[in-house]
Amino acid sequence: DAGITQSPRHKVTETGTPVTLRCHQTENHRYMYWYRQDPGHGLRLIHYSYGVKDTDKGEVSDGYSVSRSKTEDFLLTLESATSSQTSVYFCAISDSLTSGRSYEQYFGPGTRLTVT
Amino acid sequence: GNSVTQMEGPVTLSEEAFLTINCTYTATGYPSLFWYVQYPGEGLQLLLKATKADDKGSNKGFEATYRKETTSFHLEKGSVQVSDSAVYFCALSTLSGSARQLTFGSGTQLTVLP
Repeated sequence: DAGITQSPRHKVTETGTPVTLRCHQTENHRYMYWYRQDPGHGLRLIHYSYGVKDTDKGEVSDGYSVSRSKTEDFLLTLESATSSQTSVYFCAISDSLTSGRSYEQYFGPGTRLTVT
Repeated sequence: GNSVTQMEGPVTLSEEAFLTINCTYTATGYPSLFWYVQYPGEGLQLLLKATKADDKGSNKGFEATYRKETTSFHLEKGSVQVSDSAVYFCALSTLSGSARQLTFGSGTQLTVLP
């Protein structure tokens, strides 16, 4: 299994509070991604990173920000959590575009976030 | 834009039955295609992939063939087991912006009964 951990694994928070989720990898992969999973929607991309300090928006980025200060860590922040952000959040990683395995993304175990 | 359409579930089969989960896609360019599997309480695991037309991906008895003419990537298994019970996601990957990005279908829940 790819070395990807997410913390916390479960969190309950109140509307309006800030929340930060952490993804940590030990594979030294260049690309890191944050997705949310909701019933009937599959997984949708929130933000991704293509290197340290290099990030870009995905399909559902409103209300979220990210940071990547070192290769192994990718943080997702909800500046002011809302009930619509109740979801399961997954981090994923993939290797550089010149790698033979660049097409594959490997997923962490997920964080279940409930905003009350 | 890119999109993936999977057959809706849930799908319930008896052990040793034949499985087909349909997947069609819309994409610009030449996407790579994937099936991921998610067991309860876990993250997604890559099940199989195909990176060009007519490629067949296979793993653990599952197969899928990249059909460009029908824009399809249907998942099949000849004889399912109880342990195959999970949610299956079809996905495509294209180079967009500065990275390869995955677009997922909505998932198909499979339950196999003994």
